[in-house]
Amino acid sequence: DADVTQTPRNRITKTGKRIMLECSQTKGHDRMYWYRQDPGLGLRLIYYSFDVKDINKGEISDGYSVSRQAQAKFSLSLESAIPNQTALYFCATSDLGGQPQHFGDGTRLSIL
Amino acid sequence: DAKTTQPNSMESNEEEPVHLPCNHSTISGTDYIHWYRQLPSQGPEYVIHGLTSNVNNRMASLAIAEDRKSSTLILHRATLRDAAVYYCIPSMDSNYQLIWGAGTKLIIKP
Repeated sequence: DADVTQTPRNRITKTGKRIMLECSQTKGHDRMYWYRQDPGLGLRLIYYSFDVKDINKGEISDGYSVSRQAQAKFSLSLESAIPNQTALYFCATSDLGGQPQHFGDGTRLSIL
Repeated sequence: DAKTTQPNSMESNEEEPVHLPCNHSTISGTDYIHWYRQLPSQGPEYVIHGLTSNVNNRMASLAIAEDRKSSTLILHRATLRDAAVYYCIPSMDSNYQLIWGAGTKLIIKP
């Protein structure tokens, strides 16, 4: 089984819908991250969490919210999806700061 | 944040060594240099990281210039499975967040 699991893997939805992307990990890491990747570009950080009670905005948090339900679970929500949020979304985890990040296989989200 | 320059793409032959360059002339003295790669349709994968000395692991070697303004990721014997986008990340923000560029697309020819 994968160490970092993202669900769903693919999602097509309509403008204005609420969407939740889920991430779970079995690595026992405290730190979890949500990234967005647009075609041909590197990753951009949306939100990150150092532990269950510590959630921080990243570079592009507008239009997104997150919930850290447990050490192992970190969800990303789009309250009212818009077409320019169409992208590939990745969840990652890490141990201490500066340590390697471990990524899920991504969720491909299309908003029509 | 350190400014990073990597080639957009590189080609190499299978079973030959590959040297992927990265320039990071404004890197700070305490920033580690991280390399990740992203295979098609997958999430990024950690490759290697280092501070000043050259580093080796089972995947690759990292050669860091003495002035730390550049580094080179070395794949000793490329295989078709090494075809990916390789990201050189020479800086983090104050919360240890990686700052990603566009990377180098490595094409391996059989």
